Amino acid sequence: DSGVTQTPKHLITATGQRVTLRCSPRSGDLSVYWYQQSLDQGLQFLIQYYNGEERAKGNILERFSAQQFPDLHSELNLSSLELGDSALYFCASSVEGGQGTNSPLHFGNGTRLTVT
Amino acid sequence: GQNIDQPTEMTATEGAIVQINCTYQTSGFNGLFWYQQHAGEAPTFLSYNVLDGLEEKGRFSSFLSRSKGYSYLLLKELQMKDSASYLCAVKDTGNAGNMLTFGGGTRLMVKP
Repeated sequence: DSGVTQTPKHLITATGQRVTLRCSPRSGDLSVYWYQQSLDQGLQFLIQYYNGEERAKGNILERFSAQQFPDLHSELNLSSLELGDSALYFCASSVEGGQGTNSPLHFGNGTRLTVT
Repeated sequence: GQNIDQPTEMTATEGAIVQINCTYQTSGFNGLFWYQQHAGEAPTFLSYNVLDGLEEKGRFSSFLSRSKGYSYLLLKELQMKDSASYLCAVKDTGNAGNMLTFGGGTRLMVKP
């Protein structure tokens, strides 16, 4: 158990809908990362937050947004959902979040999103 | 940008040794990580290299050559439970954060 908690484990919804995925980082970790993993693709970086502030951004769609709250938990919001958004969404956390660190990322068990 | 290449699949026999290679191209290398991922589960951290050479951790070892843009993960005394995907990930100096860019992963099948 990595200590990173993601809810829900599974989510089934229809095209056009909006969902929110939730992540609680490991105790003591300040940085949270969101990754998307589709069947035909590897882990794709979406966005990183450090202590409530956005730190780095990947190829995150404009329909997707995220935030990190004062208690350090994070939410990923996906709107106007399309069939191609079906994937495993992983949250990861690390102690630090900058260039000068080598903190490994610790991943949660993911949320499996199915868009029908 | 970055480019990370790994073989898609490998097969090995229980008790044997297997080497999984990873080559990368990056504008500013700042560390290489290996993760293990069983199907449908979370990736788990295996090893980290930032300097050239070999890092050993029990049955798993990881090697890095920065001049060649090359790393490998060595798994010894293979067990059936080692059947999983192995992900090579690179950290780049070109961003402000600590994010990792992952390769597509190598699916390892261990046979009896």
